Amino acid sequence: EIVMTQSPATLSVSPGERATLSCRVSQNVGGNLAWYQQKLGQAPRLLIYDASTRATGVPARFSGSGSGREFTLTISSLQSEDFAVYFCQQYNNWPPYTFGQGTKLEIK
Amino acid sequence: EVQLVESGGGLIQPGGSLRLSCVVSGFSVRNNYMSWVRQAPGKGLEWVSLIYSGGSTYYADSVKGRFIISRDVSKNTVYFEMNSLRAEDTAVYYCASPRPGWFDPWGQGVLVTVSS
Repeated sequence: EIVMTQSPATLSVSPGERATLSCRVSQNVGGNLAWYQQKLGQAPRLLIYDASTRATGVPARFSGSGSGREFTLTISSLQSEDFAVYFCQQYNNWPPYTFGQGTKLEIK
Repeated sequence: EVQLVESGGGLIQPGGSLRLSCVVSGFSVRNNYMSWVRQAPGKGLEWVSLIYSGGSTYYADSVKGRFIISRDVSKNTVYFEMNSLRAEDTAVYYCASPRPGWFDPWGQGVLVTVSS
């Protein structure tokens, strides 16, 4: 099973600043990685798929990069609605699909 | 409009059974992969089951032999039969559609609590 490791567990950033979230994968998954945003009490929302493609309706301040085993989600200028938990997920070798443990993005 | 609506959750004793339903609108479960993903309280996401468009099914090791995913194409509904429930199965269960890799859309989730 492919193991996903996200860092940091918690990231404190001020509104308007840039946030950089990391996802490291135990095996090469090429570009087969997605990112999700989850707000408290809500279902996850797809942000990025194929490592760098924004899902429909996702603002341009969200960008994904990386390939192989190292991936990054960048939020260029944090808005109040962006403070949430973010998960990465691989779909190169499935089943099982595997998720990272999440990064909580909180207001500094 | 694409929508997934789960139901059937609740409080159940250890060893008991429960069936979740996911009613889909906006696309056909016959032609799409469907999955269940769960999230224990305060924890991350765990994929637990998949049904292919052709009807083949797959399970995470944690639920294999206890849970069964199925679908009724006439009702455009996916089911999740959960048997021999354990405390560690306590979670919010989400119905979601892999495309076929990333999950989109998701239902709102249904809480299953296994406790005596």
